[in-house]
Amino acid sequence: QVQLVESGGGVVQPGRSLRLSCAPSGFTFNDYAMHWVRQAPGKGLEWVAIISYDGSDKYYADSVKGRFTISRDNSENTLYLQMNSLRAEDTAVYYCARDGPTKQQLVLIVDYWGQGTLVTVSS
Amino acid sequence: EIVLTQSPATLSLSPGERATLSCRASQSVDFYLAWYQQKPGQAPRLLIYDASKRATGIPARFSGSGSGTDFTLTISSLEPEDFAVYYCQQRSNWPPITFGQGTRLEIK
Repeated sequence: QVQLVESGGGVVQPGRSLRLSCAPSGFTFNDYAMHWVRQAPGKGLEWVAIISYDGSDKYYADSVKGRFTISRDNSENTLYLQMNSLRAEDTAVYYCARDGPTKQQLVLIVDYWGQGTLVTVSS
Repeated sequence: EIVLTQSPATLSLSPGERATLSCRASQSVDFYLAWYQQKPGQAPRLLIYDASKRATGIPARFSGSGSGTDFTLTISSLEPEDFAVYYCQQRSNWPPITFGQGTRLEIK
């Protein structure tokens, strides 16, 4: 079955950087667009970014544009989120998620989610 | 940016009862609306997409309806495992993809 496993979270000081990774299994990774979605403690869901199945198209929320970069390595079956200039308000659980259910399109439905990795930005 | 407003914020019901959750969009999203369920400490799960299509493996007691700006998620007869937070999400006008603030369904 579809599984998504995030890693790379932790405690980081404001202004510093962090890179999250996501390891998918149970489906053909290079057939699907992928998202990052975050959830601040006790709050709702906030979409962060999406990358097309081949990495050619990327879109971001205004709150992270210019600071975060989504990327993927289809040969290594890995999704990334590079987070720079981190702020306290970036503190959240970050979910790696699949865009589906249609292959090779930006569908903008999040059909599978990982368990998330917690990023805490604090001095 | 399209704003989704969910109501009520909290819904208190008993197992076996019918639950009706609402999601209103600040402008038309056609039928491009999805519903997710999130239990404490877990990731969200897709329930409904395109307003009324059940996702894979979702029980028939979950149904969605609506179009334009007003949408409803109905759970016909609540099971104990249905008590959770529910979010709606639109994909009509993006970026950004936006979510509602959530409705907490709690046991009465």
